[in-house]
Amino acid sequence: DAGVIQSPRHEVTEMGQEVTLRCKPISGHNSLFWYRQTMMRGLELLIYFNNNVPIDDSGMPEDRFSAKMPNASFSTLKIQPSEPRDSAVYFCASSSSRRTGGYTFGSGTRLTVV
Amino acid sequence: AQSVTQPDIHITVSEGASLELRCNYSYGATPYLFWYVQSPGQGLQLLLKYFSGDTLVQGIKGFEAEFKRSQSSFNLRKPSVHWSDAAEYFCAVTTGTASKLTFGTGTRLQVTL
Repeated sequence: DAGVIQSPRHEVTEMGQEVTLRCKPISGHNSLFWYRQTMMRGLELLIYFNNNVPIDDSGMPEDRFSAKMPNASFSTLKIQPSEPRDSAVYFCASSSSRRTGGYTFGSGTRLTVV
Repeated sequence: AQSVTQPDIHITVSEGASLELRCNYSYGATPYLFWYVQSPGQGLQLLLKYFSGDTLVQGIKGFEAEFKRSQSSFNLRKPSVHWSDAAEYFCAVTTGTASKLTFGTGTRLQVTL
């Protein structure tokens, strides 16, 4: 199993630009989570999906953030327009409600907005 | 709502010494509990998890944790720390594997030689 795959690993963009982060969950996992990690706020849940349906997006900071999960094997997190305060590491994780395994995290995308 | 408290922000131990990292959770029913480790610039790796049954759980890299309902705790232990254990450790709680995972603020472990 290749694990949770995130791309890109690093992204540097200018303020005002659109940024799209991508995630491929583990095959067979039916829950997907987007987290953001910063020094000041630690690990924050932004949004999560069950069976491709958004369940809780209360952690999405502003309307500039949006997430989609068009199918069971792909999700995107988009920031438009980006701002310097969006600089963080964004993690995607997946889990299965049918198995008692843990949540598997991707390697993260380090976003820098200048 | 569930929450997790890791009271120690930073801990320093000598290599070969024992280690205990504290974790307290807040949740009305029996939670699902996890410990993750994060090395600098890396993602989060699952060390161990507790869902039910035996309250002492064994994990990878020689770590173990004990669930104590009466104390709402899930402390992580290792009998002999190695320099490679230096990292940040996160305790997390959820109500189910299809629910959100809530993390503590983390404990940074430094190992001196």
